[in-house]
Amino acid sequence: EVQLLESGGGLVQPGGSLRLSCAASGFTFDITPMAWVRQAPGKGLEWVSVISGNTYVTLYADSVNGRFTISRDNSRNTVFLQMNNLRAEDTALYYCTKYLRRDVAVFDSWGQGALVTVSS
Amino acid sequence: EIVMTQSPASLSLSPGEKATLSCRASQSVDSNLAWYQSKPGQPPRLLIYVTSTRATGVPARFSGSGSGTEFTLTISSLQSEDFAVYYCQQHYNWPWTFGQGTEVEIK
Repeated sequence: EVQLLESGGGLVQPGGSLRLSCAASGFTFDITPMAWVRQAPGKGLEWVSVISGNTYVTLYADSVNGRFTISRDNSRNTVFLQMNNLRAEDTALYYCTKYLRRDVAVFDSWGQGALVTVSS
Repeated sequence: EIVMTQSPASLSLSPGEKATLSCRASQSVDSNLAWYQSKPGQPPRLLIYVTSTRATGVPARFSGSGSGTEFTLTISSLQSEDFAVYYCQQHYNWPWTFGQGTEVEIK
């Protein structure tokens, strides 16, 4: 059974930093692209970032490019999202997700989410 | 960026009725369209990808159709557990984008 467990969410002031982690199990982690998708309160879904299995490819939404960094540790089956210079509009529930397949960019498994609140 | 537009914003139906949800892309996504179901307090659930392929465990009452820029999710006979918000997502071109959602509510 696939399991994705996020941690690291919390309350942070504007301009601050936070690092989310996602521990994965139940699938072949090191060949599977992993992504973060967020949902602001009362809003829809927004794809944030993705990293390939071999870490060679990382992509970001324009809204976070230059401020967020995705990474992974295949020895620990864990993916990370380093979030710097946070803004109020980054307040959201951040879901860790996996691609269905390497060549199919749909998100077939989701964690329960990590809540990030950016407020003074 | 491909913009995904869903209609209607909400749908009020009774159990047993048929639901038809629409999703339009601002440019062709070929057949690379997925649907998700979202319920309060739960993560989204993948229902359908590449327009019409049901994900593992998804009941046959959910079906998808369309191509290019126009897509439809049909729920043939609504069950109580189907009342939720549904999102479409194009998986044709990065950045992957979602529609704003259609809420299917109990009439």
